[in-house]
Amino acid sequence: AQSVTQPDIHITVSEGASLELRCNYSYGATPYLFWYVQSPGQGLQLLLKYFSGDTLVQGIKGFEAEFKRSQSSFNLRKPSVHWSDAAEYFCAVGAGTNAGKSTFGDGTTLTVKP
Amino acid sequence: GAVVSQHPSWVICKSGTSVKIECRSLDFQATTMFWYRQFPKQSLMLMATSNEGSKATYEQGVEKDKFLINHASLTLSTLTVTSAHPEDSSFYICSASRQAGVGEQYFGPGTRLTVT
Repeated sequence: AQSVTQPDIHITVSEGASLELRCNYSYGATPYLFWYVQSPGQGLQLLLKYFSGDTLVQGIKGFEAEFKRSQSSFNLRKPSVHWSDAAEYFCAVGAGTNAGKSTFGDGTTLTVKP
Repeated sequence: GAVVSQHPSWVICKSGTSVKIECRSLDFQATTMFWYRQFPKQSLMLMATSNEGSKATYEQGVEKDKFLINHASLTLSTLTVTSAHPEDSSFYICSASRQAGVGEQYFGPGTRLTVT
């Protein structure tokens, strides 16, 4: 069975600073990896995904993530954070042929200081 | 494209009553729909997977008789919480996928259920 660990429960960064949110996964085969963002009281929005190919994936809102098989990681990055980026971020790993049977990490809450 | 709606966005009901939550894919046909439950400050817990026209597959520990899921069409799935109790109060989120195999999920905005 697959699993996802997001080691940081809460991260605070200053507006304009760079951001990296960590995600480690466990899965026996090539994983399908996702990052989602959730604003308070809202559903999840897909930021980016990795299925295969280039290990550096570009997403929406200026986010990118890098798949590192050797480290079983899929960390999310943004070079300059905006106040509107404050939200909950979830990393997820999908299991092979079943699209949606993704396993989600516990999430990282991002606070942006002015 | 790929918009998923949920209705209602919030609902308050009395203990012992049933509540139905609708999940619709507005601009695409959803091969598969998923229902999640989310507790405050916690991650999403997959409750069940439903494919149009077939019975839902429930995750271990989820009571199928309590959480009735119907996927009547490629654009509509419903979750009915039967005989609701205060411990059923939660944020319920649905998602839809428009292809078999691995693909993106598109999430609805969620439904806040409070059982009094």
